[in-house]
Amino acid sequence: DTAVSQTPKYLVTQMGNDKSIKCEQNLGHDTMYWYKQDSKKFLKIMFSYNNKELIINETVPNRFSPKSPDKAHLNLHINSLELGDSAVYFCASSPGLPSSNEQFFGPGTRLTVL
Amino acid sequence: QKEVEQNSGPLSVPEGAIASLNCTYSDRGSQSFFWYRQYSGKSPELIMSIYSNGDKEDGRFTAQLNKASQYVSLLIRDSQPSDSATYLCAVVITSGTYKYIFGTGTRLKVLA
Repeated sequence: DTAVSQTPKYLVTQMGNDKSIKCEQNLGHDTMYWYKQDSKKFLKIMFSYNNKELIINETVPNRFSPKSPDKAHLNLHINSLELGDSAVYFCASSPGLPSSNEQFFGPGTRLTVL
Repeated sequence: QKEVEQNSGPLSVPEGAIASLNCTYSDRGSQSFFWYRQYSGKSPELIMSIYSNGDKEDGRFTAQLNKASQYVSLLIRDSQPSDSATYLCAVVITSGTYKYIFGTGTRLKVLA
């Protein structure tokens, strides 16, 4: 009974391809997030959705498009992949807005762009 | 100045010693602070949260917060080799939409 799950766990693809990562949480949380962790381990917020509405959209190339079909799911689609997109992408969720709440992280998706 | 700063380490301590991890932040309005632990190849997991000035203890872990100095720390007593990991400080910043900002993490090595 995984709390926050992501698929796939590993993704290896060529430059220029389009790929998607899926995330699901069964915690009943209202808010979901996508983070990117680069090779130096810096964890940076990309997007956040609260009850299917986009509330945080950091300075991310518009090749990245999140979609939240319902509050338990948040997917990330990436167009025209570039070498610099190689990183670990973490999905997370929290009960309510991130003002005082713990975030629960998924296992991560390691994306390698060749 | 970065929004949340940590020394990247590695911080090496002998088994049984106290490990002290530090974090400074730039947003004076921040009210919520968190410490996460991340083992290599794994996802971050929460160790402690702290919201008020002073100390908060949980087992071998103590979080300390000083809002006037914009400083939060984590002490690990009786450090064990299993504590070897990267420790991420997270601060909820309040300018605009509330959001988590993570520090770059401090890598801790506990030597047996």
